[in-house]
Amino acid sequence: ETGVTQTPRHLVMGMTNKKSLKCEQHLGHNAMYWYKQSAKKPLELMFVYNFKEQTENNSVPSRFSPECPNSSHLFLHLHTLQPEDSALYLCASSQRTSGSPEQYFGPGTRLTVT
Amino acid sequence: AQSVAQPEDQVNVAEGNPLTVKCTYSVSGNPYLFWYVQYPNRGLQFLLKYITGDNLVKGSYGFEAEFNKSQTSFHLKKPSALVSDSALYFCAVRYGQNFVFGPGTRLSVLP
Repeated sequence: ETGVTQTPRHLVMGMTNKKSLKCEQHLGHNAMYWYKQSAKKPLELMFVYNFKEQTENNSVPSRFSPECPNSSHLFLHLHTLQPEDSALYLCASSQRTSGSPEQYFGPGTRLTVT
Repeated sequence: AQSVAQPEDQVNVAEGNPLTVKCTYSVSGNPYLFWYVQYPNRGLQFLLKYITGDNLVKGSYGFEAEFNKSQTSFHLKKPSALVSDSALYFCAVRYGQNFVFGPGTRLSVLP
C-alpha cells in the first residue's frame, strides 16, 4: 500500500465543517480516481482524472470538490456534508499503457459526519 | 453498458479445501479483467489480471483465475484455502481509463 498514500486515515467532521482528503501516488501513473465505499453497497466511482484533467464526474453532489494539481496528487475537498456521506473514501491510480492496466489503491480515509 | 456480477454475497469453505469465487461480466470488446481483495478497513489489493493470452492466470498468494470467453466468466480459484484468505473479494473490468467493480463476495474460510 505504500504506492498510494492517503491522509488522514480517519476523519470526524460536523456538517458545517470544511476539510480535505489528500492522496499521493508514487507509481508514476497518469490517472487517479476517487471512490466511495459505503457499508453493504457497491464501490461507487466518484471522479476520474487523466493527466490532471477531470474525465469523469459520476453525478457527485457539489459538496464534494476534487482537485488534481499534478499527476501525483489528488484532493477531495469536503464542505457541508450530510451524515449519509459517512463512508470509506478510496483513492486509486492507474497507468494508460495496456501492459499494466490495473489500479492500485490507497488504504482509504474513514470519514464520519456527525 | 459495462457490468460485473458476483452472484454470491458470501462463500464459506473449510480450510484446506479448494475455493471458487464467481464473476461474470458484460463488456464490449476485449476485456481487461481483475480480482482485488480487501481486508477490514483497508484499501483494495490487486491480486491478478487477465489481458490476453493463456486463459488461466496466476496471481498473488496462490490465487488463480480462469477466463472463459464463451461464458463471459472470470472465476477466482485457489487449490487450498487458508483462514487468512477470509476477506472481501472484488471482480472488476476496465474500459478505457474507467473501471467497473462487482458488488463483492465475502469469503469465510473456517478452521
